[in-house]
Amino acid sequence: DVKVTQSSRYLVKRTGEKVFLECVQDMDHENMFWYRQDPGLGLRLIYFSYDVKMKEKGDIPEGYSVSREKKERFSLILESASTNQTSMYLCASNSGVGTDTQYFGPGTRLTVL
Amino acid sequence: GEDVEQSLFLSVREGDSSVINCTYTDSSSTYLYWYKQEPGAGLQLLTYIFSNMDMKQDQRLTVLLNKKDKHLSLRIADTQTGDSAIYFCAAPDPNRDDKIIFGKGTRLHILP
Repeated sequence: DVKVTQSSRYLVKRTGEKVFLECVQDMDHENMFWYRQDPGLGLRLIYFSYDVKMKEKGDIPEGYSVSREKKERFSLILESASTNQTSMYLCASNSGVGTDTQYFGPGTRLTVL
Repeated sequence: GEDVEQSLFLSVREGDSSVINCTYTDSSSTYLYWYKQEPGAGLQLLTYIFSNMDMKQDQRLTVLLNKKDKHLSLRIADTQTGDSAIYFCAAPDPNRDDKIIFGKGTRLHILP
């Protein structure tokens, strides 16, 4: 069974802290994605990675960075968290082949105080 | 690029049919998706339809595709309380087909 896991379901951090969100997939997928989801704005792509050590900016990369040192793991980093980064963060992966859909993790609800 | 639009809210009485509508802009989309997000969870693929199809039926779900109008709909027959969720319409990014463009999601609310 396909599985994407995220390190935390809920996280509370203070302004200025460095925050790491981890995502792991067990499907040997090439592509991994980080989105944030906000009411009325839907899903917005932050970054994606199409191979180990490869990354591309999505629609809203400002304030974020990513790391993909191993194929199965894709990390989202908030170098200095701000209150406007309070959101639901969703990780996804896919093989990038044909009609292959994206498989999503359960999400991490981050609150920055 | 692709733009996917859908209304944000829909209320339906339990037992009635729900119809969630979506429009997209890129006529070259080879397939279109519907995802479901239950409260507190990530998105799960509900169904997808190839662009050479007009209709796809799967139990209570019917997907209709009007390519001329670039209009996609999801019909849920006999709507149940368990259908309460956010439904996202999605299409491949024409510039990079391993990316998907999502609509903002339609929150389906079931009335007793």
